[in-house]
Amino acid sequence: EAGVVQSPRYKIIEKKQPVAFWCNPISGHNTLYWYRQNLGQGPELLIRYENEEAVDDSQLPKDRFSAERLKGVDSTLKIQPAELGDSAVYLCASRSGSSANTQYFGPGTRLTVL
Amino acid sequence: SQQGEEDPQALSIQEGENATMNCSYKTSINNLQWYRQNSGRGLVHLILIRSNEREKHSGRLRVTLDTSKKSSSLLITASRAADTASYFCATDGGTAGGTSYGKLTFGQGTILTVHP
Repeated sequence: EAGVVQSPRYKIIEKKQPVAFWCNPISGHNTLYWYRQNLGQGPELLIRYENEEAVDDSQLPKDRFSAERLKGVDSTLKIQPAELGDSAVYLCASRSGSSANTQYFGPGTRLTVL
Repeated sequence: SQQGEEDPQALSIQEGENATMNCSYKTSINNLQWYRQNSGRGLVHLILIRSNEREKHSGRLRVTLDTSKKSSSLLITASRAADTASYFCATDGGTAGGTSYGKLTFGQGTILTVHP
């Protein structure tokens, strides 16, 4: 079974530029999560999808961050414009409805904003 | 915001020794999970313990949960160099069918270094 796929793995941009991250969850997993992990910290949830519906986006900075999960499979997370403080690892995770809340994580995208 | 606090922040041991990491949390939980993260990689699920369980084993891993103290511990026995990683506890405070179900709140992690 293929795991959660994320791209790109690394991204370096200048501040005020836009950036987008892509995630392909494990096949059949209806729940998809985006997390941000700052250096030396645990992941913090940005948004959670159940199929194509965002059911928890309370921690997503909506002034510059947006996400979508069209057709309830792949998802993209966008930042526009990026700020220095957005430098972090962005992790995508997915979960099946029957997995008792075990989440499967992708390798993450390491974003550096200069 | 981080739910849990892990202790110690860093742990350095020799191969073959046991490693114990502790996690404390603040609110009631449905279950608690431990994850491992190797440098530059995503998180890997290790073990889940439900709120009505007190101890659980998986291979060289032993997890305990004390809901009265809001704390958990992860014991890795006979550690190996390959166990070198960051270990995170994560709490799920939601109930099945509720909007919070499936939402994990992670601690800051313990960095474990096992020397060959």
